[in-house]
Amino acid sequence: GAVVSQHPSWVICKSGTSVKIECRSLDFQATTMFWYRQFPKQSLMLMATSNEGSKATYEQGVEKDKFLINHASLTLSTLTVTSAHPEDSSFYICSASSPLATNEKLFFGSGTQLSVL
Amino acid sequence: QKEVEQDPGPLSVPEGAIVSLNCTYSNSAFQYFMWYRQYSRKGPELLMYTYSSGNKEDGRFTAQVDKSSKYISLFIRDSQPSDSATYLCAMTPYSSASKIIFGSGTRLSIRP
Repeated sequence: GAVVSQHPSWVICKSGTSVKIECRSLDFQATTMFWYRQFPKQSLMLMATSNEGSKATYEQGVEKDKFLINHASLTLSTLTVTSAHPEDSSFYICSASSPLATNEKLFFGSGTQLSVL
Repeated sequence: QKEVEQDPGPLSVPEGAIVSLNCTYSNSAFQYFMWYRQYSRKGPELLMYTYSSGNKEDGRFTAQVDKSSKYISLFIRDSQPSDSATYLCAMTPYSSASKIIFGSGTRLSIRP
């Protein structure tokens, strides 16, 4: 089956630093990737939708200048948490789909646990 | 009111029991319904995908959708310790891969 690789799986950083998370589709071209955030014992909340070659669409309440998304190729999207603070500590998950895919063909990465000290 | 409501549990049952997990929703535009399984600190894995009212069976899993009541269920028969995980319901108005609204997840533990 299709595989989405997310890296790193775990990162600790100091407050004020920036952290980049990568999401790669390994065996298909992902025209669309989604970035979610999940707090402990809570649901996945969509942060933004990223389409290859265009600007990401952010959900209401998500600061686009803080969470920079780049989808420069059909197999890679990155999420950069800029000037991270402890309240940004969360589990970040990406998902990816190929062109014209249904929700049944939406594949998730294994997630990145971010801890900001 | 949240668009999707799901009992967070935790739910603990003995091995072999039948498990019933449920979600209710308020948006009648939702047409496509999913159940995901998520192990701790991992991404969700799709278990069931349905788009009409009624039942869909896959092995030990049965998904049930009642659009008139805005209620969906996942049944697990002959539950196994390996079924211990968080189960997330999810739904969307769109058939194509798009914004999905997730429930908060139910933590399930199967006791050997």
